[in-house]
Amino acid sequence: RKEVEQDPGPFNVPEGATVAFNCTYSNSASQSFFWYRQDCRKEPKLLMSVYSSGNEDGRFTAQLNRASQYISLLIRDSKLSDSATYLCVGAGSYQLTFGKGTKLSVIP
Amino acid sequence: ETGVTQTPRHLVMGMTNKKSLKCEQHLGHNAMYWYKQSAKKPLELMFVYSLEERVENNSVPSRFSPECPNSSHLFLHLHTLQPEDSALYLCASSQEAGAYNEQFFGPGTRLTVL
Repeated sequence: RKEVEQDPGPFNVPEGATVAFNCTYSNSASQSFFWYRQDCRKEPKLLMSVYSSGNEDGRFTAQLNRASQYISLLIRDSKLSDSATYLCVGAGSYQLTFGKGTKLSVIP
Repeated sequence: ETGVTQTPRHLVMGMTNKKSLKCEQHLGHNAMYWYKQSAKKPLELMFVYSLEERVENNSVPSRFSPECPNSSHLFLHLHTLQPEDSALYLCASSQEAGAYNEQFFGPGTRLTVL
């Protein structure tokens, strides 16, 4: 079974904190990875793509370790608006395999 | 944002009803997808269409029948559904069907089967 595993959380962190999520995948044939964020009762929206070893976009850094089959997402200087569920996704030819998501709550 | 739209946004139907979900993308993409999101479960890919041809069918029961008349429109025809089919049904599109293509999601149709 091709799965993507995530800690469901919730992660409750104060504003300004740094928080990291890990995700493991079982399908070694996965070609690319994504982090999506999903707000409550909304659709998923792409946060970052991870094709090689990592990617950085402002306060967000994603890293990929193919040998250990895990992907991480680091959020620095957390904002209240970062509160959401973060979905780890592995992609093959036509398949996207989603994790169940990790819930983040940033507290004032 | 109106890149991918879905109608209806909410649907309540009985097990003997027939209904259809509609998805439209305004992004000029060539691939479209149907996903199911149930409570406490990850998104499940149901169908993939590339240039109006179905390229993936993930063992979905025949009571779900997709239709892609052109690259901008995708339908999901529903008949004789079960209560466990109640979920959020999400449509997505991407430039091409493949691992390196970002998918854009519609707002979803929240389906309740009584």
